[in-house]
Amino acid sequence: KAGVTQTPRYLIKTRGQQVTLSCSPISGHRSVSWYQQTPGQGLQFLFEYFSETQRNKGNFPGRFSGRQFSNSRSEMNVSTLELGDSALYLCASRDLNGEKLFFGSGTQLSVL
Amino acid sequence: GIQVEQSPPDLILQEGANSTLRCNFSDSVNNLQWFHQNPWGQLINLFYIPSGTKQNGRLSATTVATERYSLLYISSSQTTDSGVYFCAVSAYSGNTPLVFGKGTRLSVIA
Repeated sequence: KAGVTQTPRYLIKTRGQQVTLSCSPISGHRSVSWYQQTPGQGLQFLFEYFSETQRNKGNFPGRFSGRQFSNSRSEMNVSTLELGDSALYLCASRDLNGEKLFFGSGTQLSVL
Repeated sequence: GIQVEQSPPDLILQEGANSTLRCNFSDSVNNLQWFHQNPWGQLINLFYIPSGTKQNGRLSATTVATERYSLLYISSSQTTDSGVYFCAVSAYSGNTPLVFGKGTRLSVIA
């Protein structure tokens, strides 16, 4: 069974641009969560989607948005990028019982 | 919201040594997981352990939910155990997201 797949692995953007990150969950997993990891703040929850509906949302500005498609693949979008958005963005899917969380390798975003 | 504290923040071990990592949390939980983040950034799920004890090879974990802490034991450590270990919990109130601790950075030296 393939793991959680995130693309791209690395991204370099400039301030003011927007970016879209993609995540394909483990086959059969219907829940996808996104986390931001920075050296200063650690791992922080962005949002979770289940069956195309946002189920939970973290404390991030509206520039951060996401969506989930009918095949459970998810995308997150960050508009009007700021330097502080530089981080490792991690996607995770939950197993069938909704307990264990499985993470992808992440997308390392650098904003210049 | 729920608070998660991990200790120690940093740990340096000689290969072959044993270690205990601790996770304290501030409220009742319905989900607790331990993760290992390797030097390439990949987060690996080690245990789902909201209560009780589990073992997987050289790793074992114990959660005492009534006293709000969990322990991760690493025996006979190897250089490949190096990385950051995270504890993550969700409060006992439905489908709430996992809250991560700051992690314990482990360095195993040959």
